[in-house]
Formats: sequence, C-alpha cells, structure tokens
Amino acid sequence: GAVVSQHPSRVICKSGTSVKIECRSLDFQATTMFWYRQFPKQSLMLMATSNEGSKATYEQGVEKDKFLINHASLTLSTLTVTSAHPEDSSFYICSASQTPNNSPLHFGNGTRLTVT
Amino acid sequence: SQQGEEDPQALSIQEGENATMNCSYKTSINNLQWYRQNSGRGLVHLILIRSNEREKHSGRLRVTLDTSKKSSSLLITASRAADTASYFCATAAYSGAGSYQLTFGKGTKLSVIP
Repeated sequence: GAVVSQHPSRVICKSGTSVKIECRSLDFQATTMFWYRQFPKQSLMLMATSNEGSKATYEQGVEKDKFLINHASLTLSTLTVTSAHPEDSSFYICSASQTPNNSPLHFGNGTRLTVT
Repeated sequence: SQQGEEDPQALSIQEGENATMNCSYKTSINNLQWYRQNSGRGLVHLILIRSNEREKHSGRLRVTLDTSKKSSSLLITASRAADTASYFCATAAYSGAGSYQLTFGKGTKLSVIP
C-alpha cells in the first residue's frame, strides 16, 4: 500500500531556531501533499496544501513566512518552522494521496515538536 | 469551519462489545472517510464511502451514510483491546481545479477494556 514517511518523529529545539520536517511518499508520486497541525485531544487543522513545483496554498490564519513549505519533487515536501516559539509546539502531520481527488489520504506518523 | 462532528467524544466499552460512532456534517460532499489514530501517531485510512453509497463493509467495520440527514456512522463489531484509538470522520468536498479537500471532525476516543 501507499506509504508516507515523515521525519523526524520528535524534535526539541530552542526558541528562535528553525526546524525542518520532511514528508516523503515512498512508493508513489504525490503532486499534492498536505500539512496538518494537531493540538492535544483536538482534530487535525489543515495548515497548507503543498503543490509540486509551485507555491503552497496556505489556509487562513497560517503565516506563510513562518511555516515555509517546499515541494521540490513528486516524492518530497518539507515544512520549515522558522524562528520557532513555544507556542509552535505541536504535533505536525503530513499526508499525500495517490488519486487526483485526494481520497483517501495516506499519512505520515507525525512529528512532535517541542520548543523550549 | 468544522465540517464533520463526531459523537460521542469518548466511548468506553468492554472487549467483545460493538462500538458505534456517529458523524454529522453540513455541506454537500463527494465522499466521507473514516480514519483511525493511535496516540501520538499519524492517521490510518479505514474506509471510504461515496455520496451515492449507503453502506459499506470492511472486515469488522461497517459504515453507513445518510446524505439526507448528512450523517454517517461507523460500527466496529466484536471490539478488541487493540481497537483502542481515536476515530475521525473526514468529508471530501470539491475545492476547485479538479481537487477535493478533506475536513476532519474532532474525533471519538474509543477505549476497549480487556
């Protein structure tokens, strides 16, 4: 089946530093990948849609300069949290789909970011 | 805005019992999907039901969809301790340019007691 790999699974960084999270589709090409943020005991909040070879589409309220997304190839999208602050601490999850209608989605295992 | 809303928010049952979770939504959809999330992990796709389907089965899972009531249910039969997880419904709606956007509900946290 379709596998999405996300790395790292956990990261702790100091306030003011930047963190890069990678999302790879291992056995399929993904023109589109999605980045979500999940707070404890909450649902997934779509942050942005990452499109290969073009700019990402950000959801309302998500700072594009803070959450930099790069989708340089059909199998890799990266999310960089720049100048991280403690309030950026969260669980970040990426997903991709093999089908044009994005159904179903295949998820990475998520990245737990802790900013101290 | 939040599309899918699951209820109950939390459900605790004994192993062997059936678990039923419900999802309601507000707008027209192309399909509805159910996902499972173990604590601290990503989501795993369980089942997809299209808007023109009423019921679908997959192993111990049974999903129904009532588009007139804008609701869906997920039934897990003969539950096992390993079914303990959070379950999310997600509605897929056309978002333009040939793509569909998924909107997730808040989830139901299922605990199956051995």
